[in-house]
Amino acid sequence: DGGITQSPKYLFRKEGQNVTLSCEQNLNHDAMYWYRQDPGQGLRLIYYSQIVNDFQKGDIAEGYSVSREKKESFPLTVTSAQKNPTAFYLCASSASRTYGYTFGSGTRLTVV
Amino acid sequence: GESVGLHLPTLSVQEGDNSIINCAYSNSASDYFIWYKQESGKGPQFIIDIRSNMDKRQGQRVTVLLNKTVKHLSLQIAATQPGDSAVYFCAEKVPGANSKLTFGKGITLSVRP
Repeated sequence: DGGITQSPKYLFRKEGQNVTLSCEQNLNHDAMYWYRQDPGQGLRLIYYSQIVNDFQKGDIAEGYSVSREKKESFPLTVTSAQKNPTAFYLCASSASRTYGYTFGSGTRLTVV
Repeated sequence: GESVGLHLPTLSVQEGDNSIINCAYSNSASDYFIWYKQESGKGPQFIIDIRSNMDKRQGQRVTVLLNKTVKHLSLQIAATQPGDSAVYFCAEKVPGANSKLTFGKGITLSVRP
C-alpha cells in the first residue's frame, strides 16, 4: 500500500546535537512538508518542497534544515541552533493536482 | 496570525448524540476546505473536504457545511462514538500553483460514554 513513513517514532537528543528525522513517501507526490506541533497547539509549517532539489522556508524555519535530493524523501535536520526542539514533528505530502495532504504518523523529539 | 480559527477549544458530547464542530476562516479567496482528525500520538487523517462551489458534502456519518457569506465551515458527526474522540482541524487553501493549506488550531472532541 502507498503511504508516507516517518522514522523514528521517538527520538531523544542531547543539548548541542543535531538530529535528522526521516520522511519517505511512495505515493509519487511532488510536494512534501514538515510541520511542528506543540502540546495543545496547531500545526506550524517549518519547510516545504514543491519539487526535487527545491525547498522553501515556512513560518518557523530557524534552527532547521532540509534537503530534497529524491522525490520520495524529505529529511529534516533539527540543529543545535533550535533552542526549543522538543515537539511532535509531522511530515506530509501532496500531489500537484490535488489539494489534500497525506500525513505521516509523526516523530516525537525530546531533548534530554 | 493564522487565517483559520476555531470557536471553541474543546467539545464534550454524549455518545450517540450528534456533534457539530465549527471553524471560521478569514480569507474570502479560499476555494478549498478540508477537515482532519488527529488521534493522540498519531498524524492527522483526512475526514472530508469541500470546494467553494458547494454548500454541503456528505460522507459516512459526517457532513461538512460551507457558508461563504459568513466565512464559516462546520463538521457534523452523526451518532458520535467513543472512537470519534480526537482533535479536529480545519484547513483552507487559496487558489494558486504554490498555495499551501492553512490549518486552524484544532478542537478536542471528547465523547462521554
